[in-house]
Amino acid sequence: QVQLVQSGAEVEKPGASVRVSCKASGYTFTTYALHWVRQAPGQRLEWMGWINAANGNTKYSQTFQDRVTITSDTSASTAYMDLSSLRSDDTAVYYCAREGAWIDIWGQGTMVTVSS
Amino acid sequence: DIQMTQSPSSLSASVGDRVTITCRASQGISNYLAWFQQKPGKAPKSLVFAASTLQSGVPSRFSGSGSGTDFALTISSLQPEDFATYYCQQYNSYPLTFGGGTKVEIK
Repeated sequence: QVQLVQSGAEVEKPGASVRVSCKASGYTFTTYALHWVRQAPGQRLEWMGWINAANGNTKYSQTFQDRVTITSDTSASTAYMDLSSLRSDDTAVYYCAREGAWIDIWGQGTMVTVSS
Repeated sequence: DIQMTQSPSSLSASVGDRVTITCRASQGISNYLAWFQQKPGKAPKSLVFAASTLQSGVPSRFSGSGSGTDFALTISSLQPEDFATYYCQQYNSYPLTFGGGTKVEIK
């Protein structure tokens, strides 16, 4: 079945970087885009950016423009989200989500905790 | 950025009740509106896209309506598994934005 499986929880110190992966299965990876959305504790969902898996084009939220990089490896059907210069308020669950023309499938989420 | 405002932020209802959640966009978004359901500790689940089209496998007690700036998600007869938080999301333009959520609790 179609699924997105994300990497496990991470604990990082302020100022560090984190990479979260999202492995797709059950569909042709390059026919869909992948978005990254985060949810801080008790907060609404917040869009970070997306990648066109067919050609690698990306678009980022201005909120994260200087700190986020989204890449993909088509041979591994995997997308990656790198977030740098971590702060305590980056503590959140990070989700990848598939989009054809709308978001339909979500990964299970990856908890990233930023703490000294 | 397009702001999405949901109301109410929470509601209490009983099994069998009809429930309606509203979502307002700060500018017109045609029908580029999706609804998601999220249970505690779980990823969101897609319910509706294009404002009124049910995702495959979603029970018919769910329905979406609206266009332009005003939208609604209705659950015609609330079931025990429907107690969750619901979010609207616009995909008319970037950045994609979400409503603040509506928590549906058991009365």
